[in-house]
Amino acid sequence: SQKIEQNSEALNIQEGKTATLTCNYTNYSPAYLQWYRQDPGRGPVFLLLIRENEKEKRKERLKVTFDTTLKQSLFHITASQPADSATYLCALGTGGFKTIFGAGTRLFVKA
Amino acid sequence: EAGVAQSPRYKIIEKRQSVAFWCNPISGHATLYWYQQILGQGPKLLIQFQNNGVVDDSQLPKDRFSAERLKGVDSTLKIQPAKLEDSAVYLCASSPGGASGGAAETQYFGPGTRLLVL
Repeated sequence: SQKIEQNSEALNIQEGKTATLTCNYTNYSPAYLQWYRQDPGRGPVFLLLIRENEKEKRKERLKVTFDTTLKQSLFHITASQPADSATYLCALGTGGFKTIFGAGTRLFVKA
Repeated sequence: EAGVAQSPRYKIIEKRQSVAFWCNPISGHATLYWYQQILGQGPKLLIQFQNNGVVDDSQLPKDRFSAERLKGVDSTLKIQPAKLEDSAVYLCASSPGGASGGAAETQYFGPGTRLLVL
């Protein structure tokens, strides 16, 4: 069956360290993969998109990798700050603009 | 530019009652999505419109849920009658749309409507 897995346990890291979040999927062939940030009581906010033919994408302190052989994406936040504390959602883009979301990983950055 | 607007922000109803949610997408966005997000889970697509036509409603419980998008702009989502398990946040999102062949779509989400069914 089709499945998207993100770390269900919260990730706790110290300010200044690099946070790495994982998104694994099975039985999908996504055309692209997106990462969104969601704060409590708010809708998700788009962060980065990476296509199936791309290996890595960067935006400021954010980096995303996409390995279609391993069926995995890694999302990195370097020099993390307490303001980065939020839930991060992985979303697979399939045909017809349909997007399938993972359950998300909660990140806590401690000062 | 103005973001996606949703109303109401909160709604409390009793089971078997009906409820309606409204969404105003970003101006010019062709694609509109309704998601259901249960606490601790990711958003689950209920229905997707391209302009005023339905693209995907495979996960919409059609015996109780209905949605329309008039004139390809605003949209309403209705639940009638509501069940306890419908308690969730209902998110509306829009994207520019118009491309084909698996082109990427960045979705812009509204703040959501938090529904509690008692």
